[in-house]
Amino acid sequence: QSALTQPRSVSGSPGQSVTISCTGTSSDVGGYNYVSWYQQHPGKAPKLMIYDVSKRPSGVPDRFSGSKSGNTASLTISGLQAEDEADYYCCSYAGSSYVVFGGGTKLTVL
Amino acid sequence: QLQLQESGPGLVKPSETLSLTCTVSGGSISSSSYYWGWIRQPPGKGLEWIGSIYYSGSTYYNPSLKSRVTISVDTSKNQFSLKLSSVTAADTAVYYCARLSASSYYDFWSGYYQYYYYYMDVWGKGTTVTVSS
Repeated sequence: QSALTQPRSVSGSPGQSVTISCTGTSSDVGGYNYVSWYQQHPGKAPKLMIYDVSKRPSGVPDRFSGSKSGNTASLTISGLQAEDEADYYCCSYAGSSYVVFGGGTKLTVL
Repeated sequence: QLQLQESGPGLVKPSETLSLTCTVSGGSISSSSYYWGWIRQPPGKGLEWIGSIYYSGSTYYNPSLKSRVTISVDTSKNQFSLKLSSVTAADTAVYYCARLSASSYYDFWSGYYQYYYYYMDVWGKGTTVTVSS
């Protein structure tokens, strides 16, 4: 059960769009439509932003969207805002009630 | 509003057992709709799922930690707990407890719904545990 692969960092200017990828295997990301994404600001607990690949919990702006193709899931943030600067983690169901996280991506808003 | 609060010693000696408790308020840990889990984050590193437990006591552990981890539940106190044995400096981390919600699909072959408890929709604030002599 290896961690999912995310880019260490991404960046974008206010108003632009950025996409964060999350690559796994057919045993996790590719095998199930059960991928979630979390936002974490420094010193804070993670916050659920996306579940079931593309569903948004109540209160999460529609600027955040998720998708999946094969073994790779993606989180897209459109209309970047300064408060979006944070670490982002993907997470996938990995069979047998196991859960696996990605290594995290630091988003910098320029 | 559901809240989770971690508690326990902030300092543990190497080779000893780390023990933490998560107290659930504003809701019942005995709900059939959720699992409850522990996640940790070493300093400057990413999140790692430790394990999950159902109110009935059914547990699932990260295979890399399974030999050292025990998660238990006390429904009378609305709490669940983590024990991690034989700790080393590598176990130094912020430890979070969280509620795991499920997604489901209808399995036509069995005629039953299958539930996948995997996304964490409510988190505690986290507690820092340092392993040091």
